[in-house]
Amino acid sequence: DAKTTQPTSMDCAEGRAANLPCNHSTISGNEYVYWYRQIHSQGPQYIIHGLKNNETNEMASLIITEDRKSSTLILPHATLRDTAVYYCIVRGGLVDAGGTSYGKLTFGQGTILTVHP
Amino acid sequence: DAGVIQSPRHEVTEMGQEVTLRCKPISGHNSLFWYRQTMMRGLELLIYFNNNVPIDDSGMPEDRFSAKMPNASFSTLKIQPSEPRDSAVYFCASSFGPSYEQYFGPGTRLTVT
Repeated sequence: DAKTTQPTSMDCAEGRAANLPCNHSTISGNEYVYWYRQIHSQGPQYIIHGLKNNETNEMASLIITEDRKSSTLILPHATLRDTAVYYCIVRGGLVDAGGTSYGKLTFGQGTILTVHP
Repeated sequence: DAGVIQSPRHEVTEMGQEVTLRCKPISGHNSLFWYRQTMMRGLELLIYFNNNVPIDDSGMPEDRFSAKMPNASFSTLKIQPSEPRDSAVYFCASSFGPSYEQYFGPGTRLTVT
């Protein structure tokens, strides 16, 4: 799977948009970009994923550049509860013995996002 | 939906004892994953089951670790004998299929003294 590079930490004011960047310059054509977050003392939480089109759901928006070498996760109106470690993961497909595609999630160090009042 | 359920939430044991961690995946999910998280190594995949069959156990650290999934609604991760370096938070996750998004449980914090 392609490696990702994220800033170690970021700050954001409550109510403002939080824009978290991720570089994945070695991504290949069939690899997806996934975002998870982990709030202190909880399990990782799925946020959003995409292949090449921009995606939006109730939690966030994902903007992927046209060359797919980088992406940005946008939390449109950050709240204090959005303080967490955010992981950008490039997920490929591995074919297991049964011929089923299995995209392994490899978590890096992530970005520590702190939302302050 | 109750989400992924793990028990116990906290476990403190002495070195050499057997430890069993339990996981109930989300109903209808047929893929299950066990992860371990430490400060030093971050979040690592230990083993992955699909339709109750272990598919990838390359992350299991050594023979002291074993995992089973006797049915679609229950899995265990066993450590025997336990060692202090096994101290970590162990997460279970499940997904609808092997390449779908994974949903994580609250974790079990294991301390081996």
